[in-house]
Amino acid sequence: EAQVTQNPRYLITVTGKKLTVTCSQNMNHEYMSWYRQDPGLGLRQIYYSMNVEVTDKGDVPEGYKVSRKEKRNFPLILESPSPNQTSLYFCASSPGGGPYGYTFGSGTRLTVV
Amino acid sequence: AQTVTQSQPEMSVQEAETVTLSCTYDTSESDYYLFWYKQPPSRQMILVIRQEAYKQQNATENRFSVNFQKAAKSFSLKISDSQLGDAAMYFCAYNQPGTASKLTFGTGTRLQVTL
Repeated sequence: EAQVTQNPRYLITVTGKKLTVTCSQNMNHEYMSWYRQDPGLGLRQIYYSMNVEVTDKGDVPEGYKVSRKEKRNFPLILESPSPNQTSLYFCASSPGGGPYGYTFGSGTRLTVV
Repeated sequence: AQTVTQSQPEMSVQEAETVTLSCTYDTSESDYYLFWYKQPPSRQMILVIRQEAYKQQNATENRFSVNFQKAAKSFSLKISDSQLGDAAMYFCAYNQPGTASKLTFGTGTRLQVTL
């Protein structure tokens, strides 16, 4: 089954403790992105990747890192999480943007206390 | 930068009735894609319908249809014969080709369906 797999689904952590949210897709898609969803703000892009070893900042990149060492994986790293990073996070992949559609992961609910 | 505006934070519709969710966007481009996504309580993002800007014909998917007014930069979603399973958050989104697959989302409209 074609899918984007995110883990974990829920995560509670403490301020400053490094964490990684994993994202993997099995569709051989070129593009992968991370979004955060906050009430009243919709979804905003954090980082994106156009291919292996090619990543760039989205609209809200502060406090986040990403890497794309393999085509299928695109982990999101919070090196020193803060409470304002409490949010719902989505990974998405696409073969090439609008004409081809997007596939979203099931989301990660992160709480930083 | 492109922006997407959903001016209705919440809407309510009775079962079997029709409801229209509004979306406007701002862009100087002529070629782009517009989407409506549904997010039920399971929080999965589900594509409802997609519109290509160069196509004048409004997209339709079963009970879901759009009213795409390119000059007015308006992209509303009409849900006919509403069902309890339509209750969800609905997001309007915009994609500009060549922008590395970025989707720009509106703030969402929460739809309630009542008996």
